[in-house]
Amino acid sequence: GAVVSQHPSRVICKSGTSVKIECRSLDFQATTMFWYRQFPKQSLMLMATSNEGSKATYEQGVEKDKFLINHASLTLSTLTVTSAHPEDSSFYICSAGTGGNEQYFGPGTRLTVT
Amino acid sequence: QKEVEQNSGPLSVPEGAIASLNCTYSDRGSQSFFWYRQYSGKSPELIMSIYSNGDKEDGRFTAQLNKASQYVSLLIRDSQPSDSATYLCAVTAGGTSYGKLTFGQGTILTVHP
Repeated sequence: GAVVSQHPSRVICKSGTSVKIECRSLDFQATTMFWYRQFPKQSLMLMATSNEGSKATYEQGVEKDKFLINHASLTLSTLTVTSAHPEDSSFYICSAGTGGNEQYFGPGTRLTVT
Repeated sequence: QKEVEQNSGPLSVPEGAIASLNCTYSDRGSQSFFWYRQYSGKSPELIMSIYSNGDKEDGRFTAQLNKASQYVSLLIRDSQPSDSATYLCAVTAGGTSYGKLTFGQGTILTVHP
């Protein structure tokens, strides 16, 4: 149980384009999903908290107009990186909570912006 | 001051030994504590959670929590080469930040045959 999927697993895009990443909870309903970013040899940094049916809460320093988050259902949240630039290249990971305290992570999406 | 601190290592132990990983946190209101394992290029995998003072054992893993000292540790008994990974300590805050995880920088563990 508590399986979270992400799609795509890897994406390469050109500078200035937008990329959408999907996060799904496969066997449970997640009222809250979290989006993280991890640069090489660094730990995970929380970008935003996504609540079903409401606006996402962004961490300080994260541009909400650049990283668009939609949590339209209890099993799906999406992150859209708009007008991507090379410095946005990173490992993006979502997680979902089952209603308790534990979070389960998706397999991650490696974004490369050329 | 970092909110969650870990010794980045690398920590190297021989196969079969006990690996001891440590973590301290600054927020006294923290409610929940987790250890995640992350293999290179992969996302974190939850291996232990602990919520109250004392020890919690699960197979070869034992988590220890001391809220007075703001300290949480993970012991891995009979370490195997497959345990070689980065171990992330994560803490959830209390109050309005409920559910948000703050990660330490991770400890790299190498188990050599």
